[in-house]
Formats: sequence, C-alpha cells, structure tokens
Amino acid sequence: GQNIDQPTEMTATEGAIVQINCTYQTSGFNGLFWYQQHAGEAPTFLSYNVLDGLEEKGRFSSFLSRSKGYSYLLLKELQMKDSASYLCAVSDSNYQLIWGAGTKLIIKP
Amino acid sequence: GAVVSQHPSRVICKSGTSVKIECRSLDFQATTMFWYRQFPKQSLMLMATSNEGSKATYEQGVEKDKFLINHASLTLSTLTVTSAHPEDSSFYICSTFRGTRSNEQFFGPGTRLTVL
Repeated sequence: GQNIDQPTEMTATEGAIVQINCTYQTSGFNGLFWYQQHAGEAPTFLSYNVLDGLEEKGRFSSFLSRSKGYSYLLLKELQMKDSASYLCAVSDSNYQLIWGAGTKLIIKP
Repeated sequence: GAVVSQHPSRVICKSGTSVKIECRSLDFQATTMFWYRQFPKQSLMLMATSNEGSKATYEQGVEKDKFLINHASLTLSTLTVTSAHPEDSSFYICSTFRGTRSNEQFFGPGTRLTVL
C-alpha cells in the first residue's frame, strides 16, 4: 500500500531551527510537496522536490532522497506565525497526491 | 493573489437538506479539479476528481449519489452534499493544477459545513 509518515506534533522555540521529517512508500514517484496549513484554512504551497538534494527558499528549505524515500522540511529563524500544520504529500505514478497526516508545529516564545 | 475561489466559506444547515459548494478557477482554465474533505485534526482525504465535460471519478468509499459533482465549465466545479447528516460536517476543500509549476495544486479557501 501507499504510506506517508511524519511526526504528529513538534515543539520549537521562536528564533530556533526545526526539521520536520517525512518518509514515504508509494507506487511511483512524481515529486514531493510540502504544504503549510493554519487551523481552519486551506493548505498553501511551500516547496516541491523531484530530484535529490536541497531546495532553499528563504527561511524554508526542503530536502529529498529518493533512494531512501525520505524528505525533510527545515524552518529557520522560527516566528510565532510559523505555528501551523505542515503536510507532506507525494505525487504517485498517476500524478495523484498521497497525503501525510500532517505535523502540528507549536512555536513557543 | 488567490487563484482558486470557493463559496460559501461557511454553511450551517439542517439534517436532510442539500448544500452546494462552488469552486472556481480565477483567470485560468481548470480541466481537472479535486475535492477533498478534512475532519478535525486529520489530513486531507481525496473524495473525487472532477473532469470538465465528463463524469467525476470517486475514491473508494465515497458515495457518488450523495456527493454530486458537476464540472460543467473550465472554470467551475460544484459539489452538492445531498440529504446532509451531522456526520457530513467537515471542511471541504477544492484544488486544481494551474500548470505554472509541475504538479503543484492550488487550493480554494475551503468550506466549513456544519449539519445540525
């Protein structure tokens, strides 16, 4: 079956760095996405990785290892507004998104 | 700015009534739209894939006669929850591809449905 695993909840301190991991097992692979979702709102796009390596975009970076079925989202200089759920999703062989359950990130002052 | 709009944002209805949710792509054509449902503290669950001009493809376990999907134009897809019950209360979100970034899905703002 297809499976996406990510931690349920993480806590970090304002100004610090946090890494959210995601492992996946899917039928085919056409890229991995990270989305941010604030409570009661729709997800918003953060990053897309289809090749191995690190993609950096401001305070957020995303890493992919296809051989390991592994990705992480790195958030630097954490701000209180970064408190949200972070969803990992993989595009499978049919270009359908398979979603993880999301990681709730709690930022403390 | 927003590329996908959704209406209404919130709706409260009585059990047994039907509710229609509209999803529109703004300034671009969306041949495919996705409808998701999200229960509190859970991830997105794909309900169906809506294709313009053809029948929607429903995921296993989703009743097509209860969740009617119409994709009559390239910018509008509608989801109608028929004979709604309290267990249908959820956050309904539509999404589509815009084509400017490989496989990226743009989401509507979502509709919070509460069935009394």
